[in-house]
Amino acid sequence: KQEVTQIPAALSVPEGENLVLNCSFTDSAIYNLQWFRQDPGKGLTSLLLIQSSQREQTSGRLNASLDKSSGRSTLYIAASQPGDSATYLCAVVSPSGNQFYFGTGTSLTVIP
Amino acid sequence: GAVVSQHPSRVICKSGTSVKIECRSLDFQATTMFWYRQFPKKSLMLMATSNEGSKATYEQGVEKDKFLINHASLTLSTLTVTSAHPEDSSFYICSARMATRGEKLFFGSGTQLSVL
Repeated sequence: KQEVTQIPAALSVPEGENLVLNCSFTDSAIYNLQWFRQDPGKGLTSLLLIQSSQREQTSGRLNASLDKSSGRSTLYIAASQPGDSATYLCAVVSPSGNQFYFGTGTSLTVIP
Repeated sequence: GAVVSQHPSRVICKSGTSVKIECRSLDFQATTMFWYRQFPKKSLMLMATSNEGSKATYEQGVEKDKFLINHASLTLSTLTVTSAHPEDSSFYICSARMATRGEKLFFGSGTQLSVL
């Protein structure tokens, strides 16, 4: 069964810093990988989706990379802002496209 | 575009009652909807996958008779927690998949269920 791990579990950085969140998965047979943001008590907001054939995706200050062979993905956040404070989740989608496996999340706090 | 509306956002009920949660895709047709449960400080746990017009597929360990899922149309899926008990208290989130958007998922805002 696919297992998804996120490191670190929590991260606190001063405003303006660049940071990297890590996601690792055990089975390289995936359909795609997605990064989400969750604010306390709220639903998820999709940030980036990387197809299995892609290496990276960019949206604004966010850049996500995917290395299927090593079972890793990173989410790079440039010039962090207090509004970036949230929990970030990665999810790996099975080849069938019907199974989503979520990581445990990284709780990010950006200090003004 | 691609908005998923989940209702209610919060519900408090007495033990033994049933609670229905609705998940609607407002501006697209969702052939597949997913229901998740989240415990405090834990990640999301997939409960079931719901395909329009067919029976939901439940994850191992999820009671089908406890969590009834109905996906009657391409824009609506409902989750009914039957005979709710305090241990059912949790945060429930639905998501919908729009195939034309590269399998991207769109999530509802979640429902906080508290069973007294």
